[in-house]
Amino acid sequence: KQEVTQIPAALSVPEGENLVLNCSFTDSAIYNLQWFRQDPGKGLTSLLLIQSSQREQTSGRLNASLDKSSGRSTLYIAASQPGDSATYLCAVRRYGNNRLAFGKGNQVVVIP
Amino acid sequence: EAQVTQNPRYLITVTGKKLTVTCSQNMNHEYMSWYRQDPGLGLRQIYYSMNVEVTDKGDVPEGYKVSRKEKRNFPLILESPSPNQTSLYFCASSSLDWTGPYEQYFGPGTRLTVT
Repeated sequence: KQEVTQIPAALSVPEGENLVLNCSFTDSAIYNLQWFRQDPGKGLTSLLLIQSSQREQTSGRLNASLDKSSGRSTLYIAASQPGDSATYLCAVRRYGNNRLAFGKGNQVVVIP
Repeated sequence: EAQVTQNPRYLITVTGKKLTVTCSQNMNHEYMSWYRQDPGLGLRQIYYSMNVEVTDKGDVPEGYKVSRKEKRNFPLILESPSPNQTSLYFCASSSLDWTGPYEQYFGPGTRLTVT
């Protein structure tokens, strides 16, 4: 069974600092990994999807890397802003499986 | 606008009273799925559907039913709700690539309370 872990569960950073969020998974045989953002009481917004053949994906201030062999993905958010305060979740889809396994999220607070 | 919609957004009901949460998507996606989100447990998949009339169990299917009679709709049915089904529910959809479901898009959520 695929286990997805996100540490730390919560963190606070001052505005302007770069954010580094980590996601680890136990089974490296994956099709893809997706990062989401969730605001309190709201749905999930897809940020980036990385295919297993890719090493990273970029969108604006966001960059996600994938190291399948070590079972890790990292989401970088450059020059954080208060509007980046949210919970960030990663989810992986394992080979031969049509389901997603989610981590419990990193709750981020960016302090003005 | 491409979106996944859910109704109702909030629902308070009593134990044993059957209810249906609707989910609809306008992106012509083949894959649809239901999740529940609970504090400390994260998001867990209830059921998913690869296409019309094709459904399968996720991690926590007990106490739930689904149907997929049309491509755009995927209702979640609780035949006899119990308090342990109090949760935040999300519907999601995605297209399929050659390996299976691709990038997933989520609805706004339905907060269900069963007393």
